[in-house]
Amino acid sequence: EPEVTQTPSHQVTQMGQEVILRCVPISNHLYFYWYRQILGQKVEFLVSFYNNEISEKSEIFDDQFSVERPDGSNFTLKIRSTKLEDSAMYFCASRNRQGLTEAFFGQGTRLTVV
Amino acid sequence: EDQVTQSPEALRLQEGESSSLNCSYTVSGLRGLFWYRQDPGKGPEFLFTLYSAGEEKEKERLKATLTKKESFLHITAPKPEDSATYLCAVPLIASGSRLTFGEGTQLTVNP
Repeated sequence: EPEVTQTPSHQVTQMGQEVILRCVPISNHLYFYWYRQILGQKVEFLVSFYNNEISEKSEIFDDQFSVERPDGSNFTLKIRSTKLEDSAMYFCASRNRQGLTEAFFGQGTRLTVV
Repeated sequence: EDQVTQSPEALRLQEGESSSLNCSYTVSGLRGLFWYRQDPGKGPEFLFTLYSAGEEKEKERLKATLTKKESFLHITAPKPEDSATYLCAVPLIASGSRLTFGEGTQLTVNP
């Protein structure tokens, strides 16, 4: 069964360092997302991506964040200068068309900023 | 502002003891509602999509229903492997696809 794959599963980084979280969405999907979940809190939307550009972003997704689809399979989230409050689970999701279809989530990357 | 509220926050059941989880929402013009299951340290796993009031979906011991103001996830004769956090999410009316999640209900089923 097709699935969204994320790497690494756990990343520890020093405050101020750059991190890149990687995702391989389901192969025929066209819409890609990043969400995050701070420990004990709800899942929050960060950004959506379609047709090689950002289609929507939340207030959380400031200038320190960027996304890229460098090739036909990978989808990355970069945090330029990490802060302690960036520590969270980051989930990549994809769906195959716009509107009311379900999004499929990866298993997440646990980011710990120390 | 669109809001999604789930109750209870936590629910502890004995194996075989049926119950229901609630998801209430305040959105201007519901376009659909999604239920997900989340195991500790894992990503949300899709369960159901409901599109309109009166709709019902079933999968094994789970049944999801939708009214104009809320959705229920009914769990019939649960087993310990049903223990997880159950999340509901709705797409924002002003957005094509971003989901607003509830806080979730943490379900524990004891053998």
